[in-house]
Amino acid sequence: LAKTTQPISMDSYEGQEVNITCSHNNIATNDYITWYQQFPSQGPRFIIQGYKTKVTNEVASLFIPADRKSSTLSLPRVSLSDTAVYYCLVDAPQDSSASKIIFGSGTRLSIRP
Amino acid sequence: DTGVSQDPRHKITKRGQNVTFRCDPISEHNRLYWYRQTLGQGPEFLTYFQNEAQLEKSRLLSDRFSAERPKGSFSTLEIQRTEQGDSAMYLCASSLDLAATNTGELFFGEGSRLTVL
Repeated sequence: LAKTTQPISMDSYEGQEVNITCSHNNIATNDYITWYQQFPSQGPRFIIQGYKTKVTNEVASLFIPADRKSSTLSLPRVSLSDTAVYYCLVDAPQDSSASKIIFGSGTRLSIRP
Repeated sequence: DTGVSQDPRHKITKRGQNVTFRCDPISEHNRLYWYRQTLGQGPEFLTYFQNEAQLEKSRLLSDRFSAERPKGSFSTLEIQRTEQGDSAMYLCASSLDLAATNTGELFFGEGSRLTVL
């Protein structure tokens, strides 16, 4: 049973800001929201994680509203190298049950010149 | 290179043959995971180790699949009597122990791609 819902694909252009929204209506109190990025023929790579409000790092920002039922990954000024699949996950990092780390089908982001 | 390494990167085999994949996690990571990924899909959880103990197995892991981590370091995933439906990318990931990580970040290898003819 999918825990998150995100768009299958998105297109944008170099230099634009890209926002990918993820729905997680059944998020639990202990769950965090985590985003991974995957390039072809590579394993996923951790981008950012948050619990509430806003988190920013050198790669992206993550916006989480008060009800935590959705989140938005924001990529500023994208380049061609940001073309990848982006996965939104909800999991409890301190939970010993590894099967809670469930990847959905992700959002395939294509950046054009 | 101190990342997660997997071997072989590519394996082509005939139906019915056995194959084995190896994963070397980041040295200080106690947790090790195996995932399977098919084209257009996200990684599917297969199994998880805490040191040498296999703590969880997915229902996807049929009796033909077996994973070991004998000394709590490297791990192997063996598939016996391969079927065409086993064709996929097999991904290994490792992470720090729960007490040592805030994010539970998984560090993935580049995967082992299996093609069963």
